[in-house]
Amino acid sequence: DGGITQSPKYLFRKEGQNVTLSCEQNLNHDAMYWYRQDPGQGLRLIYYSQIVNDFQKGDIAEGYSVSREKKESFPLTVTSAQKNPTAFYLCASTVRGRAYEQFFGPGTRLTVL
Amino acid sequence: AQSVSQHNHHVILSEAASLELGCNYSYGGTVNLFWYVQYPGQHLQLLLKYFSGDPLVKGIKGFEAEFIKSKFSFNLRKPSVQWSDTAEYFCAVNADSSASKIIFGSGTRLSIRP
Repeated sequence: DGGITQSPKYLFRKEGQNVTLSCEQNLNHDAMYWYRQDPGQGLRLIYYSQIVNDFQKGDIAEGYSVSREKKESFPLTVTSAQKNPTAFYLCASTVRGRAYEQFFGPGTRLTVL
Repeated sequence: AQSVSQHNHHVILSEAASLELGCNYSYGGTVNLFWYVQYPGQHLQLLLKYFSGDPLVKGIKGFEAEFIKSKFSFNLRKPSVQWSDTAEYFCAVNADSSASKIIFGSGTRLSIRP
């Protein structure tokens, strides 16, 4: 089945540690996105990538970093500089130029202790 | 800058009641509008979309939305809700100048009492 996988589903880290969230898709989509979902704030765009080896900052990129070395993969690193990292993180992908039809993964809930 | 407002944060209805969830956007040009739904334990998925033409758009599971350009609104409606409609609903906008991303509203949590 084609889709997006995010692992792990739940992740716990100590304050001050960097952590990398995985996102893989086998839909052959060019574009991939990372969102942060907080109660009452909806989805906020962290980073997005339209093609391999290229990515752009979203609305809340500070404290995060990404890479896009392969079309299928778009890992997100939550660095120690992110002041409030505990959240639900969603990855999505689309055909390039069709940002409206986003296919979402199941999400990773990150808790920083 | 584009923005999307959903003023109802949590709506509670009984089964068979009619539903209307508000969505307003701010952008002066041509927009594409969407509603996404997130059922408990499931992935976020597209419910319906508007690009052009008939301002009344029909989606899955009996949902519809009406684009009213003069009011910058794209409200979601359903004549008679079911318990299975319990979910979180997100309105989103994509301006034609930005084919690379969409802006989501803050979401409305819908709870249906059986």
